Amino acid sequence: GENVEQHPSTLSVQEGDSAVIKCTYSDSASNYFPWYKQELGKRPQLIIDIRSNVGEKKDQRIAVTLNKTAKHFSLHITETQPEDSAVYFCAASGPHNAGNMLTFGGGTRLMVKP
Amino acid sequence: NAGVTQTPKFQVLKTGQSMTLQCAQDMNHNSMYWYRQDPGMGLRLIYYSASEGTTDKGEVPNGYNVSRLNKREFSLRLESAAPSQTSVYFCASSEIIGANSPLHFGNGTRLTVT
Repeated sequence: GENVEQHPSTLSVQEGDSAVIKCTYSDSASNYFPWYKQELGKRPQLIIDIRSNVGEKKDQRIAVTLNKTAKHFSLHITETQPEDSAVYFCAASGPHNAGNMLTFGGGTRLMVKP
Repeated sequence: NAGVTQTPKFQVLKTGQSMTLQCAQDMNHNSMYWYRQDPGMGLRLIYYSASEGTTDKGEVPNGYNVSRLNKREFSLRLESAAPSQTSVYFCASSEIIGANSPLHFGNGTRLTVT
C-alpha cells in the first residue's frame, strides 16, 4: 500500500518568515494530495489540496507544489503568523488504496515565534 | 449545522472493559470513517463505511468493530480494551468515497486504557 513520509517533525520559525514542509509518497499511481491543519486540541481541517494533473496551487499565503517524477509534494507558508502554529498533516490517495482512502504522514508541529 | 459530532469527548477504561464511541453527521454524507491518532504516527484508518449498509477494514482494524446504524451514524466498539488502544479517536465523513472527496472530522475522543 501507500507510504507517506513527512519532514520535519517539528519546525520553528520567526513570525514573518516562510515555512516549508515536505512529504514523499511511494505509490506512483497516487493522484490526490491534501494538507490538513490541526490546532492544539482541535480537529484536523483541510487547508489546501492538489491533484496530480497540477504542479502548483496557491491560496493566499499557502501554496502546495507537486513533483510527480520524484514523488514528493510540499506545503509552503509565507509571512507566517502566530496563528499558523499547529500540526500539519500531508496525505495521499489513489486507486491502489482501498476505496481511495487517504494515507497520512506523521505530522509536522509548526511553531511561529512572535 | 453541527457537522460531525462525536461522543464522549474523554473516556478512561480499565483493561478488558468495553465501550462504544458514537459518531453522527448532519451533512448528508455517504461515507464515514474512524481514525486513531497517535504521536508521530499521523492518522491511521481503523474502519470505514463507503455507504449506508457497508463497512470495510482500514489499516488498523484489530480489536475494533463498527456499525453503520443509518446514513447519519457510525459507531466504533472496543469489545475488550487494551492499553495499546490508548489514543485519540476521530470520526470523519465525506460526501462520497474516493473521487478525492474532502474529509470532515469530528472533535475527537481521547481514550485512556489503564
